This record gives sequence, structure tokens and C-alpha cells, in this order.
Amino acid sequence: NAGVMQNPRHLVRRRGQEARLRCSPMKGHSHVYWYRQLPEEGLKFMVYLQKENIIDESGMPKERFSAEFPKEGPSILRIQQVVRGDSAAYFCASSPLPTARGGLNTQYFGPGTRLTVL
Amino acid sequence: AQTVTQSQPEMSVQEAETVTLSCTYDTSESDYYLFWYKQPPSRQMILVIRQEAYKQQNATENRFSVNFQKAAKSFSLKISDSQLGDAAMYFCAYRGDNNDMRFGAGTRLTVKP
Repeated sequence: NAGVMQNPRHLVRRRGQEARLRCSPMKGHSHVYWYRQLPEEGLKFMVYLQKENIIDESGMPKERFSAEFPKEGPSILRIQQVVRGDSAAYFCASSPLPTARGGLNTQYFGPGTRLTVL
Repeated sequence: AQTVTQSQPEMSVQEAETVTLSCTYDTSESDYYLFWYKQPPSRQMILVIRQEAYKQQNATENRFSVNFQKAAKSFSLKISDSQLGDAAMYFCAYRGDNNDMRFGAGTRLTVKP
């Protein structure tokens, strides 16, 4: 069973460009979470999505950032008009339906995308 | 809001020795999950161990065990027989009803040969 996949692993953008980060959850997982990690800090929650629905976007900046998880294909985190402060590692995690106890509340993380804004 | 505090920015241990990493959290929820993740230089987040708050028994995974004190809101990680490959950043995390995870700032563990 392949793990959570993220691409690209490294992304370089100039200020004002758009960044698109992709996340393919583990097989059988329908819940996706995006986190941002600034240098020397822990991960900060951004958004939680199920297929075709944004469940919780309380951690996402109100402007320039958007996320989607379409019925088919990977989840996309889009950052428009990037600025230097957007430089960070962006992690995606996935889990199965979080409706029961057991192993279902564990989030499995992808390798992350390191975004550098020049 | 739930907060997670790791008061040790850095820790060091001699190979084959035991080290304990501290974590405290603040919550008003009664049912939640606690995790320790390891982040090596590759930056991959690797689940080390998890604990359900409703379970009194401390979780154990091979050389890794936790000391979960629910009343004190403490969740420390003990690594026994430390190995060079254990060197990494370790993050304590909390997950409650709202599905997102709250992470501490991390503890950088160095293992000396």
C-alpha cells in the first residue's frame, strides 16, 4: 500500500507567481489535511478536506490560499501571488473515515513539499 | 483552544542509553488522541507512537514508550537503548474532536556514539 504522495518535493517560485502543491492520499483514505511548517517550528494546521468538501479551513490564510479535493485526482493546495513569507514546507496527511476508534484517527503524512519563494 | 508544549528544544543522549522527551498539553475535551512523530533530516513525518486518552495503559512500541498522565495533561516519550538512527526532531501532537492536529514546537534529539 503506497503511502501519501506529494509532488513536487521541491518548488521554487518568484514573488507574484502561483504555486500548486499536490497530494495523493493513501489508498482507501478519503480525508486529507494540509499543514505548513516554517523553519525550526512545528507543523501548523491549515485545512481539512473530504472528497469535494472543505470541512475546516480555520488555519488557512483568508487571501491567496485555496485548497480542493476533487472527486477524482489529488488534493491541490494553491497559493496565488506568492510572497517570501510563504516559503515553508507544506505537508499533506490522510486518514480513513474518522468516525470510530482503533487506528482510524491516525494521520499518515506525506514527504512534504518545500516551497522556496525568491 | 488546545495547545501543545514541548519545553525541551534540544536533548542529547548517549547511544544505548535512555532518554525522556517531555510534552504537556492543554484541553477541555475528555476524549482525544496523542501522538509522537519523528522528523529526521529527510523531513518525512514518521509516526512513532499513539495513545488514546480513554486508555489508562501506556502505549509501547518496541523501544518507545509513553508515560501518559491524563490528570496532569502530560505525555512524555521514553526512548530506550537509543540508536544513532533515533536522532531527529520529535514532535508531540494532539488530536481532538475537530480532526486537525496541534503540534508542539519540537525537540531536537542528538544521539552521541
